Amino acid sequence: SQTIHQWPATLVQPVGSPLSLECTVEGTSNPNLYWYRQAAGRGLQLLFYSVGIGQISSEVPQNLSASRPQDRQFILSSKKLLLSDSGFYLCAWSVTSGRKNIQYFGAGTRLSVL
Amino acid sequence: AQSVTQLDSQVPVFEEAPVELRCNYSSSVSVYLFWYVQYPNQGLQLLLKYLSGSTLVKGINGFEAEFNKSQTSFHLRKPSVHISDTAEYFCAVHNQAGTALIFGKGTTLSVSS
Repeated sequence: SQTIHQWPATLVQPVGSPLSLECTVEGTSNPNLYWYRQAAGRGLQLLFYSVGIGQISSEVPQNLSASRPQDRQFILSSKKLLLSDSGFYLCAWSVTSGRKNIQYFGAGTRLSVL
Repeated sequence: AQSVTQLDSQVPVFEEAPVELRCNYSSSVSVYLFWYVQYPNQGLQLLLKYLSGSTLVKGINGFEAEFNKSQTSFHLRKPSVHISDTAEYFCAVHNQAGTALIFGKGTTLSVSS
């Protein structure tokens, strides 16, 4: 069966420091991968998605970037964190069949920028 | 463009009472609809999905939802809730390209005894 791992679970970082969040998927090949951010009271915002190695689509211009160095690995990064980067970051995977795209989520990373 | 509106941000209810969480969508193409549940400090778990076929969809934990094309709705229901159903619930629809989900802002269900 497929599983998705995200780490770390929680992270406290000072403003201006770098960020690296990692997500890996097991039990499937060539998944679509996603990064969402959930800010308090604002629902889920799609940040990036990837349909293959090295293929990244950015949904919202911001202080973050994403990379997919391996088929089942998705990394969210920042060179310098801002206070507004605080939030709950969720990774998700899916396998598309036509337009049917059922997404499964990791447990999330709670990021606090101070 | 696709969009989702969850009509209630908070729904308080007593244990063993029925509940309905409302979701309306807007889509220019055929829709695939989802409900996810998020327990505190956890990721999202798929509750149920509508892809095609019967408009009444049954999911996990006793939840069900009905796809109503004429009213562009996909309301979530449970006949009798438990304390453990306290969580945030998200309705979602595919974007037009089918590459990602568009989520509503969520409904917080609070079940008390």
